[in-house]
Amino acid sequence: NAGVMQNPRHLVRRRGQEARLRCSPMKGHSHVYWYRQLPEEGLKFMVYLQKENIIDESGMPKERFSAEFPKEGPSILRIQQVVRGDSAAYFCASSPDRDSGYTFGSGTRLTVV
Amino acid sequence: GDSVTQMEGPVTLSEEAFLTINCTYTATGYPSLFWYVQYPGEGLQLLLKATKADDKGSNKGFEATYRKETTSFHLEKGSVQVSDSAVYFCALSAPIQGAQKLVFGQGTRLTINP
Repeated sequence: NAGVMQNPRHLVRRRGQEARLRCSPMKGHSHVYWYRQLPEEGLKFMVYLQKENIIDESGMPKERFSAEFPKEGPSILRIQQVVRGDSAAYFCASSPDRDSGYTFGSGTRLTVV
Repeated sequence: GDSVTQMEGPVTLSEEAFLTINCTYTATGYPSLFWYVQYPGEGLQLLLKATKADDKGSNKGFEATYRKETTSFHLEKGSVQVSDSAVYFCALSAPIQGAQKLVFGQGTRLTINP
């Protein structure tokens, strides 16, 4: 049973480009969470999704960031018109239901140059 | 809002030394408490957890006790190894719509020298 798969592991984008981060949850997990880790800081919650629904996006910046979890395929975190301050590690986690613990992926490290 | 404060790092110890990493929290309810470990270039792995007051979580020689009276969840290990070198995060669970999110401390980088 593969763990939470995130790709790419490393992503470099120029300022103004779009970044797309993908997360495939563990088999049987229908709940997905995205967290951001800025350099030398702890992880901060961004968004919680179930299949085809955004349940809580209270940690998402209001502009340029969006997330989806379609019926088929991975969850996508999209950052439009990236800026240097978006450089961070983005982690996805999944769980089988709302009360179970998470399993984290290995993260995508985004560098904006 | 809910928050977690960890002792600042980095922490450097010799092999077989005793380890304590302090963690205190602020929460409005009765959260579960966690310690996660992050090895270089990897994601977070759950190290141990406790779900209610006076519970002790333990794993791989690490222990932490949920102390409601002092709002603390300090991580301890009696004899550290070089392989314990990593960043350690204390976290609590906080309710969000329909589920729980994790609120993390800033992390403590631990280096163990042989």
